[in-house]
Amino acid sequence: SAVISQKPSRDICQRGTSLTIQCQVDSQVTMMFWYRQQPGQSLTLIATANQGSEATYESGFVIDKFPISRPNLTFSTLTVSNMSPEDSSIYLCSVLPGTGIAGELFFGEGSRLTVL
Amino acid sequence: KQEVTQIPAALSVPEGENLVLNCSFTDSAIYNLQWFRQDPGKGLTSLLLIQSSQREQTSGRLNASLDKSSGRSTLYIAASQPGDSATYLCAVAGGYQKVTFGTGTKLQVIP
Repeated sequence: SAVISQKPSRDICQRGTSLTIQCQVDSQVTMMFWYRQQPGQSLTLIATANQGSEATYESGFVIDKFPISRPNLTFSTLTVSNMSPEDSSIYLCSVLPGTGIAGELFFGEGSRLTVL
Repeated sequence: KQEVTQIPAALSVPEGENLVLNCSFTDSAIYNLQWFRQDPGKGLTSLLLIQSSQREQTSGRLNASLDKSSGRSTLYIAASQPGDSATYLCAVAGGYQKVTFGTGTKLQVIP
């Protein structure tokens, strides 16, 4: 299993500003992901955070808007840049411990962003 | 493209009732299926993971089944309690780290 801490848990931001979300895991994990959950919707994968290299983004998400850092195997950050009200969502960090192709996903508590 | 559907979208039951939540998926080529619980405004808590070779998993009052050939999974909750009120999500792993989430079932257990 894995224990994941996310900061901030919530924030209210002004249009045009940027916010960085931190994700800290209590153990080293290879696979770390960032998801977005818009109001009333299910989860959408933004990107896979790769340690020591550029993140792998899903269709519809770009590095300029959602830059991601992954300096080591226990930590990652997601920045939401030049925010607009449409970016109001819960952003979730997720990890996949182990080395198998597919295993049990674990999530942080989420960061709830409201953009005014 | 994998599509995951959860029915019903919302469910309200009296305390003590047994209930079943449904999850269906269109592509049966999956590695595993995972059930989560999400409280309002919070992250996801893993409840049960069923590997593609398994038929069911149990944890306490929860039992999840998987019928890969028909593209269906159910989550059975026995003797429901008000603390079970939450949104329940199923997620299907259909390839290397490719996970598709359902839209969830919002459960309310009335005391």
